[in-house]
Amino acid sequence: KAGVTQTPRYLIKTRGQQVTLSCSPISGHRSVSWYQQTPGQGLQFLFEYFSETQRNKGNFPGRFSGRQFSNSRSEMNVSTLELGDSALYLCASSLISRDTDTQYFGPGTRLTVL
Amino acid sequence: DQQVKQNSPSLSVQEGRISILNCDYTNSMFDYFLWYKKYPAEGPTFLISISSIKDKNEDGRFTVFLNKSAKHLSLHIVPSQPGDSAVYFCAARGGNQFYFGTGTSLTVIP
Repeated sequence: KAGVTQTPRYLIKTRGQQVTLSCSPISGHRSVSWYQQTPGQGLQFLFEYFSETQRNKGNFPGRFSGRQFSNSRSEMNVSTLELGDSALYLCASSLISRDTDTQYFGPGTRLTVL
Repeated sequence: DQQVKQNSPSLSVQEGRISILNCDYTNSMFDYFLWYKKYPAEGPTFLISISSIKDKNEDGRFTVFLNKSAKHLSLHIVPSQPGDSAVYFCAARGGNQFYFGTGTSLTVIP
């Protein structure tokens, strides 16, 4: 069974731009969560999607948004990029819920904001 | 505000010896704890978990200990192998959120 895939793997943007990251979960998994990893903060939860609906949300500004499609693939969008948005963005999928099922992480998208 | 803390950013251990990775948390309402392992250029991989109703969970060479009174979690790896060299994250569940530590980089020296 293929794992979680994320595209692109690396991205360089400038301040003020927007970016869209994509995540394809493991086949059959319906829950997709997004995390931001920075050296000083560890992994911070952004949001979780299930059945095309945002189920949970972390403490990030509204510039961070996401969506999930009927095939469970998910996209994350960051608008008006800031230097501090430079991070590794990880997507994780689980069968039904990240609360009760093991999360499987993708390799991440490394975003650099110049 | 870091609710889950891994105070040791790095740890070096000789092959065959025990590796002990530590994690402290602040919220007594956390009810589920996990450890993840992360290799460079890969996403974290689930390693082992423990519910707050237990104080120990074992899986092969990996054992997680939970001390609720001290709000302390530890991961023991015995015996340590060079392939265990990675960054280890602890995580805790509280309410509808998971909180992750900043990671400890383990190096197992052959």
